[in-house]
Amino acid sequence: AQKVTQAQTEISVVEKEDVTLDCVYETRDTTYYLFWYKQPPSGELVFLIRRNSFDEQNEISGRYSWNFQKSTSSFNFTITASQVVDSAVYFCALSDNNDMRFGAGTRLTVKP
Amino acid sequence: NAGVTQTPKFQVLKTGQSMTLQCAQDMNHEYMSWYRQDPGMGLRLIHYSVGAGITDQGEVPNGYNVSRSTTEDFPLRLLSAAPSQTSVYFCASSYSGTGIEQYFGPGTRLTVT
Repeated sequence: AQKVTQAQTEISVVEKEDVTLDCVYETRDTTYYLFWYKQPPSGELVFLIRRNSFDEQNEISGRYSWNFQKSTSSFNFTITASQVVDSAVYFCALSDNNDMRFGAGTRLTVKP
Repeated sequence: NAGVTQTPKFQVLKTGQSMTLQCAQDMNHEYMSWYRQDPGMGLRLIHYSVGAGITDQGEVPNGYNVSRSTTEDFPLRLLSAAPSQTSVYFCASSYSGTGIEQYFGPGTRLTVT
């Protein structure tokens, strides 16, 4: 069965600090997809990134970067120079064959 | 485009009552799904549909029914509400399956007393 673990329940940082959100997944399939979603205090879910299991290239988008390592079944998310607007709950998710499993989420608070 | 819309935004039910949560999308997406979000548990898949007339169960289907008579609509029915169904419900859609970005509705907050 698929499983996603986000061990960090809550993280608090001061603005401009770098922060890494951890995500570890389990699946028996060779083809799967990994995602990160952001849920700001307003409650909507915002798509951040998608990775398929055959693409281990790291990705950078502005202050956001993602590190996908199949050897450790991890898909970690780093925010560089955090800002107050980054405060949100972040979910890692694993998709396989129309089924999708989310982690429990990490609540990130960025203080000014 | 309105994207994914959900009604109502809030609902209070008494135990044993039934109701339908509405979900509609105007993006001509084949795949639609329902999730529930509970504190400390992330989102859990209830039911999904890969096209009109086709539905399947997700991780937590008990107590919920769905049908998909059109591409646009995917209602979620609670036949006999229980306090354990108190949650925030999200509907989502994508062009095809969960291997690509899903678009989420704004959510329905349901309280069962």
